[in-house]
Amino acid sequence: GENVEQHPSTLSVQEGDSAVIKCTYSDSASNYFPWYKQELGKRPQLIIDIRSNVGEKKDQRIAVTLNKTAKHFSLHITETQPEDSAVYFCAATFPYSGAGSYQLTFGKGTKLSVIP
Amino acid sequence: DAGVIQSPRHEVTEMGQEVTLRCKPISGHDYLFWYRQTMMRGLELLIYFNNNVPIDDSGMPEDRFSAKMPNASFSTLKIQPSEPRDSAVYFCASVGAERGEQFFGPGTRLTVL
Repeated sequence: GENVEQHPSTLSVQEGDSAVIKCTYSDSASNYFPWYKQELGKRPQLIIDIRSNVGEKKDQRIAVTLNKTAKHFSLHITETQPEDSAVYFCAATFPYSGAGSYQLTFGKGTKLSVIP
Repeated sequence: DAGVIQSPRHEVTEMGQEVTLRCKPISGHDYLFWYRQTMMRGLELLIYFNNNVPIDDSGMPEDRFSAKMPNASFSTLKIQPSEPRDSAVYFCASVGAERGEQFFGPGTRLTVL
C-alpha cells in the first residue's frame, strides 16, 4: 500500500519568515495530494491540494509543489503569521478507480509554531 | 450545506459501557470515512463506506468496534464494551466522487474512565 513520510515533525519560524514542509510517497499511481491544517482541538481542514497533472499550485500565502519523478511534494507558507501555528498533515491517494479509491494515506504531521 | 455533522461532540463514559457515535455526511457525497486520532498513533483510518456499503474495515481495532451506514445520510460507530484505551477523538469525513476532496466533521472526543 501507499506510504507517506512527512518532515520535519516540528518547525519553529519567526513571524514573517517562510515555512516549508516536505512529504514523500511510495506509490507512483497516487494522483491526488491534499494538505490539511489542524488547530488545537479542531478538525483537520483542507487548505490546498494538487493533482498529478499539475506541478505547482498557489493560494495567497500558501503554495504546494509536486515532483512526480521524485515522488515528493511540499507545502510552502510565506509571510507566516501567528495564526498559521497548527499541525499540518500531507496525504496521498490512489487514482479514481471505483471502489477503493479516495482513501487517503496521511503523513504523521508537522507542528508549526510561528513566533511573534 | 452545514458540512459533516457529528454527535455527540463530547462523550464521557465508564469502562464496559456501550458508546455510539453518529455522523451525517455532506449531502451527495458517496464516501464516508471513520478515523480515530490520538497523540500516540496519530490519525488512523478505521473503516470506510462507498454508497452505504462497507469497503474496508481492516482498521477496526477489535470486534468491540462496529460501524453501520443504513442510508446515505447517516452512519454510526459503536464500541461495546468500551475500554479506557478507546479514549480518543473520533472523526467522520465524507468525499464527493466528483472532486475527491475529503471534508472532516468536528469530531467526537471520547473519554472512557
